Amino acid sequence: DADVTQTPRNRITKTGKRIMLECSQTKGHDRMYWYRQDPGLGLRLIYYSFDVKDINKGEISDGYSVSRQAQAKFSLSLESAIPNQTALYFCATSDTRDRAARAFFGQGTRLTVV
Amino acid sequence: QKEVEQNSGPLSVPEGAIASLNCTYSDRVSQSFFWYRQYSGKSPELIMSIYSNGDKEDGRFTAQLNKASQYVSLLIRDSQPSDSATYLCAVNDWGGGADGLTFGKGTHLIIQP
Repeated sequence: DADVTQTPRNRITKTGKRIMLECSQTKGHDRMYWYRQDPGLGLRLIYYSFDVKDINKGEISDGYSVSRQAQAKFSLSLESAIPNQTALYFCATSDTRDRAARAFFGQGTRLTVV
Repeated sequence: QKEVEQNSGPLSVPEGAIASLNCTYSDRVSQSFFWYRQYSGKSPELIMSIYSNGDKEDGRFTAQLNKASQYVSLLIRDSQPSDSATYLCAVNDWGGGADGLTFGKGTHLIIQP
């Protein structure tokens, strides 16, 4: 089983719909992140969380919100999906105790907004 | 704003040859350096990390770091078709956490059989 699990793996949704992407981890890491990846643009940070009570905006947070339900769970919501949110979304984790802050990624969610 | 620059490629290398991937970074305080491999449609997989100047070897992979030149490279010896992927360079500073992890856009590597 994957240490960092994302659901769903693929999703097609209509413009204006609310959608939630979920991430859970068994690595025991305290830090969790949401990235999106677009062709030619690389990985861009949407939100990150250092613990349950700590949520921070990343580079491209507009149009997104997050919830850290537990240390192991971090969900990303698109309140009103739009076509330019079509992308590959990754959840990642890291451990504060790891001074190098290595990041480990989930399998990804391919989201298409039509 | 930290920047990490990579040649997007594609870089085409014959099977069995050495593939050399390069990366430069803008922030001199960067202390941790990583190479991730990403197959098309899949998640990035950490394959190498390096923190000190010099070379670090792991199997067919060697990471090289030169902080004075702000340059990181990845060498893949005896390249195999299964090495064909996009390689992402990432940098971080000590204690910054992965909020401070900055990725390059990746180099697409093709190993020709």
